[in-house]
Amino acid sequence: GAVVSQHPSRVICKSGTSVKIECRSLDFQATTMFWYRQFPKKSLMLMATSNEGSKATYEQGVEKDKFLINHASLTLSTLTVTSAHPEDSSFYICSARDFFAGPSYNEQFFGPGTRLTVL
Amino acid sequence: AQSVTQLDSQVPVFEEAPVELRCNYSSSVSVYLFWYVQYPNQGLQLLLKYLSGSTLVKGINGFEAEFNKSQTSFHLRKPSVHISDTAEYFCAVVYGGSQGNLIFGKGTKLSVKP
Repeated sequence: GAVVSQHPSRVICKSGTSVKIECRSLDFQATTMFWYRQFPKKSLMLMATSNEGSKATYEQGVEKDKFLINHASLTLSTLTVTSAHPEDSSFYICSARDFFAGPSYNEQFFGPGTRLTVL
Repeated sequence: AQSVTQLDSQVPVFEEAPVELRCNYSSSVSVYLFWYVQYPNQGLQLLLKYLSGSTLVKGINGFEAEFNKSQTSFHLRKPSVHISDTAEYFCAVVYGGSQGNLIFGKGTKLSVKP
């Protein structure tokens, strides 16, 4: 099946620093990738939709200057949390859709998540 | 607004008992339905999906779900649960004609007790 990886799995950083999280589709091409944030014991909140070769589409209330998204290739999207603060601490999960999946195009494949802790 | 409702936030059940986790969605011409499981500190794993065809869908780990268009439901069932099924379960829907974004329910915590 389609595999999505995320790196790093865990990161601890100091307040004010920037953190980059990578999301890769390992065995398929993904024109669209999604970034979610999950608070403890809560559901997933869609932050933005990342489109290869174009600007990401952010959900209402998500600061695009704080959460920079780059989708430079069909297999890689990155999320950079700029000037991170403790309130940015969370579990970040990416997903990807297989461009060539036909009827299964609506299925998203999820990465294992990245636990960000800002001190 | 299009939404997904998981009525039960927590479902405690004894080992080897049957379980049903409920999911309802907003009425729509076309929908694609998914159930995901999340174990602590891990990402989401697909249990099963309905895209088209048979309304009874079988997934991994002995789970199944039935798409009921008239009741706009997609309840998840397992005839006999194990301790290892303890996890958070999310129902998710892609509404036809949308941008293809998944809309998640709030999740149901299944706790299997010995």
